[in-house]
Amino acid sequence: SQTIHQWPATLVQPVGSPLSLECTVEGTSNPNLYWYRQAAGRGLQLLFYSVGIGQISSEVPQNLSASRPQDRQFILSSKKLLLSDSGFYLCAWGLVNNEQFFGPGTRLTVL
Amino acid sequence: AQKVTQAQTEISVVEKEDVTLDCVYETRDTTYYLFWYKQPPSGELVFLIRRNSFDEQNEISGRYSWNFQKSTSSFNFTITASQVVDSAVYFCALSEAASNTGKLIFGQGTTLQVKP
Repeated sequence: SQTIHQWPATLVQPVGSPLSLECTVEGTSNPNLYWYRQAAGRGLQLLFYSVGIGQISSEVPQNLSASRPQDRQFILSSKKLLLSDSGFYLCAWGLVNNEQFFGPGTRLTVL
Repeated sequence: AQKVTQAQTEISVVEKEDVTLDCVYETRDTTYYLFWYKQPPSGELVFLIRRNSFDEQNEISGRYSWNFQKSTSSFNFTITASQVVDSAVYFCALSEAASNTGKLIFGQGTTLQVKP
């Protein structure tokens, strides 16, 4: 069966510090991978998606970047965090035209 | 442009009541997929159902049922005999086949509180 992992679960970072969130998927090959952000009390916003190794598409201009160094690894990064980067970050995997399965999420607080 | 609207921000019911969560979508694509997810307090999104645009049959799964109507661009979700464990945020989402990326466009979510 497929499993998706995210870490860390929670993170408190000062403004201007770097960020690295990691997501890995087990039990499937060549999945599409997605990063979403959920601001407090709001819906989910797609940040990045990847259809293959090294292939990253950005949905919204922002302070963040993503990379996919391996087939089942998806990394979300920032060189300098902003207050507005606070939120709940969810990684998901899926196949085109099928449902997506989400990881447990990372709660990021930028102070 | 594609869009999903969940007009109900919060709903509060008493246990055993039936409750319907509304979802209205907009798309120009003729082939698309609709989804419902549940987000309990832990935060992880739980997949509930997927429906493609060519299948308008209603679906029932235990206490859950879904009503898909293309004529009104709606995909409503009904919980029968609600329970406290149903308390969560529920999201409706849309995926367009033409994008070929599987991207999900989410509504803003409906917070359901079921009181004992």
